[in-house]
Amino acid sequence: NAGVTQTPKFQVLKTGQSMTLQCAQDMNHNSMYWYRQDPGMGLRLIYYSASEGTTDKGEVPNGYNVSRLNKREFSLRLESAAPSQTSVYFCASISILRIEAFFGQGTRLTVV
Amino acid sequence: AQSVSQHNHHVILSEAASLELGCNYSYGGTVNLFWYVQYPGQHLQLLLKYFSGDPLVKGIKGFEAEFIKSKFSFNLRKPSVQWSDTAEYFCAVNTGGGNKLTFGTGTQLKVEL
Repeated sequence: NAGVTQTPKFQVLKTGQSMTLQCAQDMNHNSMYWYRQDPGMGLRLIYYSASEGTTDKGEVPNGYNVSRLNKREFSLRLESAAPSQTSVYFCASISILRIEAFFGQGTRLTVV
Repeated sequence: AQSVSQHNHHVILSEAASLELGCNYSYGGTVNLFWYVQYPGQHLQLLLKYFSGDPLVKGIKGFEAEFIKSKFSFNLRKPSVQWSDTAEYFCAVNTGGGNKLTFGTGTQLKVEL
């Protein structure tokens, strides 16, 4: 009963490096989301995928790309990391029927 | 576009005090409303949700929230807080059953012994 699994949990990058955050859910949800959480700003939506094969920009998409590999997996890529991308990233999947979001444990990313 | 406002950014209470956290949303149509809690170092968990029906919703751990449509509000309440309620609380709104959840900026609650 894993729910939503994110990897890695912690990461330190140098400015300009790239990396991919992985997310997988085992609840058969169609919709998956990537949020970033910053102090005093709550959770802001980066990208979301309403269903397999579709992705859409959220509130703060600049500097990120996503891939909905299949129904289970939704990855977030930083092509050239910047200090402004230092944040905690959360993946979520949403049950449209219940409109309830299930969150992963988060990835704490620091860009130096 | 939908938006959510949480006006209390930091709240400090003593154990057994009553709690009320404010949440206002801006959207004129049908809304689904949520409160999530994030304990230190953990991910967000659902406290309670409102879809329709009785505007007073009861959630886990003794929390409740009241939907007041005329005030566009969904305030969270607990009659008597415990030290273990120390956490960050987020209000969220979904409009018309669509795909997006929009979160407020959160309220950091600290309960002192």
